[in-house]
Amino acid sequence: EPEVTQTPSHQVTQMGQEVILRCVPISNHLYFYWYRQILGQKVEFLVSFYNNEISEKSEIFDDQFSVERPDGSNFTLKIRSTKLEDSAMYFCASRLLSSYNSPLHFGNGTRLTVT
Amino acid sequence: KNEVEQSPQNLTAQEGEFITINCSYSVGISALHWLQQHPGGGIVSLFMLSSGKKKHGRLIATINIQEKHSSLHITASHPRDSAVYICAVRFLGETSGSRLTFGEGTQLTVNP
Repeated sequence: EPEVTQTPSHQVTQMGQEVILRCVPISNHLYFYWYRQILGQKVEFLVSFYNNEISEKSEIFDDQFSVERPDGSNFTLKIRSTKLEDSAMYFCASRLLSSYNSPLHFGNGTRLTVT
Repeated sequence: KNEVEQSPQNLTAQEGEFITINCSYSVGISALHWLQQHPGGGIVSLFMLSSGKKKHGRLIATINIQEKHSSLHITASHPRDSAVYICAVRFLGETSGSRLTFGEGTQLTVNP
């Protein structure tokens, strides 16, 4: 069964450094998402992406964050200057359609640790 | 404020028991998801529903739109069902299908 893959599984970085989290969504999917989960807290929506542009973003997704789909397969989340509070598990997800009856497929996540 | 509440927070059961996890939400929704998060952190979508009931193997999900409540049932529970179960909803009025609001999750432990 096709799956969403995320790399790396764990990334450690120093405060102030840039990080890029990578995702390969399911190949025929059209809608892409990033979510994050700070340890011990709820999963939170960050951003959705469709047709090569952001369709919606949350209050968390400030100017330090950006997303792109550089080559038609990868979907990346960049954090420009990481802060300690960016430490979290970041999940990529994709779906074929935007409608509510189109299943959402999650990757296994990237655990980001900012020191 | 749009909120999702799950109960219980923690649930311990003996193998074979019937499990129920509850989810309540504050205002109207267009869709509700039940997700399973494994100990390693990965998330799997179990169900997506907007009305009625869905069944997949030993898992059953129901939703009552009028009461703003959903339940996830596991019949004949097994230790491999041990995981965090998360309810997530798309509230009516959200402009796209993307902004899900998540509950805190229910940690289920099934002992042999």
